[in-house]
Amino acid sequence: EVQVVESGGGLVQPGGSLRVSCAASGFAFNTYWMNWVRQAPGKGLEWVASVNQDGSEKYYVDSVKGRFTVSRDNAKNSLHLQMNSLRVEDTGVYYCARDHRAAGLFFDSWGQGTLATVSS
Amino acid sequence: DIQMTQSPSTLSASVGDRVTITCRASQSLSTSLAWYQQKPGKAPKLLIYKASTLETGVPSRFSGSGSGTEFTLTISSLQPDDFATYYCQQFNNNWDLTFGGGTKVEIK
Repeated sequence: EVQVVESGGGLVQPGGSLRVSCAASGFAFNTYWMNWVRQAPGKGLEWVASVNQDGSEKYYVDSVKGRFTVSRDNAKNSLHLQMNSLRVEDTGVYYCARDHRAAGLFFDSWGQGTLATVSS
Repeated sequence: DIQMTQSPSTLSASVGDRVTITCRASQSLSTSLAWYQQKPGKAPKLLIYKASTLETGVPSRFSGSGSGTEFTLTISSLQPDDFATYYCQQFNNNWDLTFGGGTKVEIK
């Protein structure tokens, strides 16, 4: 069974850092693009970042470029999002999502999410 | 950036109704569009990808159509389990990936 499980959320002050992680199982992790999508409380979905199979290609939404870094460890089937210089508007549930591998980038397996709260 | 406009934002319907949700893109997407269902406190679930391809395991009452800038998600006969929020999502080759604002389907 395909599973992705996020961890690492919490409360952090503006300007602080947080690292969220995703543990994957049940599929060949090193053959899939992996992604982060977030959702502010009561709001819609926002794509955050994507990384290719070997970690050599990384893409970000403009609002997090220079502050967030996506990485993966294929030996441990894990995905990470290092978030620095956090802002109040970064508050939300962060989902780890697997690429469907159809043409384009669509998300076919999601974790339950981990909540990151940026507040003083 | 490509903007995705979903309508309506809220929809009230009864079990058995035919429901249609529209997503309009500010630029042509060809068929690079997906639809997701999200229930409160849960992760989104992929329903349709490439505009009209039904994801494995999704009931056939769900269908997607459209290309270019206008897309629709249709539920042919609304079931109690279908009351949820639905999002469209586009992806283009310039790594401009965006979701629509969502459509909440409520019980009438």
